[in-house]
Amino acid sequence: QLQLQESGPGLVKPSETLSLTCTVSGGSISSSSYYWGWIRQPPGKGLEWIGSIYYSGSTYYNTSLKSRVTISVDTSKNQFSLKLSSVTAADTAVYYCARQPPRITIFGVVTPSLNWFDPWGQGTLVTVSS
Amino acid sequence: DIQMTQSPSTLSASVGDRVTITCRASQSISSWLAWYQQKPGKAPKLLIYDASSLESGVPSRFSGSGSGTEFTLTISSLQPDDFATYYCQQYNSYLFTFGPGTKVDIK
Repeated sequence: QLQLQESGPGLVKPSETLSLTCTVSGGSISSSSYYWGWIRQPPGKGLEWIGSIYYSGSTYYNTSLKSRVTISVDTSKNQFSLKLSSVTAADTAVYYCARQPPRITIFGVVTPSLNWFDPWGQGTLVTVSS
Repeated sequence: DIQMTQSPSTLSASVGDRVTITCRASQSISSWLAWYQQKPGKAPKLLIYDASSLESGVPSRFSGSGSGTEFTLTISSLQPDDFATYYCQQYNSYLFTFGPGTKVDIK
């Protein structure tokens, strides 16, 4: 059963860089079938997609965060990572990593796709404060 | 970016009630819509994808419908485990966006 686990500092100072890692177990991040994503949720608020990555390194970012976000993948460690620079209090949130399942045709052809998110990691709270 | 809205923002209901939540997109997203359930302190859980496809293991009392710009999530008979917040998400564009959520609480 695939599991995802976020890890990283729970407290980051304003103007510094937030760094998180998502470790995938029960499956290979190198599978050509999946995209992998980061989503965040400020306390008491809704969900915001941050970005997604394919095992090859192709990335897609939320335009509102693009100038500050870098997502990378380390296939040797079965991990992918998030860096968010120049953080402010507005970046305080629970950060989730998740997998994006592929499309499978009726003929069984599997195509990696940027679509829904399943499963999700349990999430990690990152607070931006001095 | 495609904007998503949900109504109502809060819904008070009783066990056994039929519950309907609406999600609207600012432009047509075909059937590229998912629904999630989130309980306090937990990650969202996928319920429905492609607007009407039930995720494996999700009870059949959950159903989704719609296409274009208007979608609904229906719970046919609300159970105690269903009190939670529900979010829609569009993936018509890779600039994924979520609705603001609908909280279903006990009447």
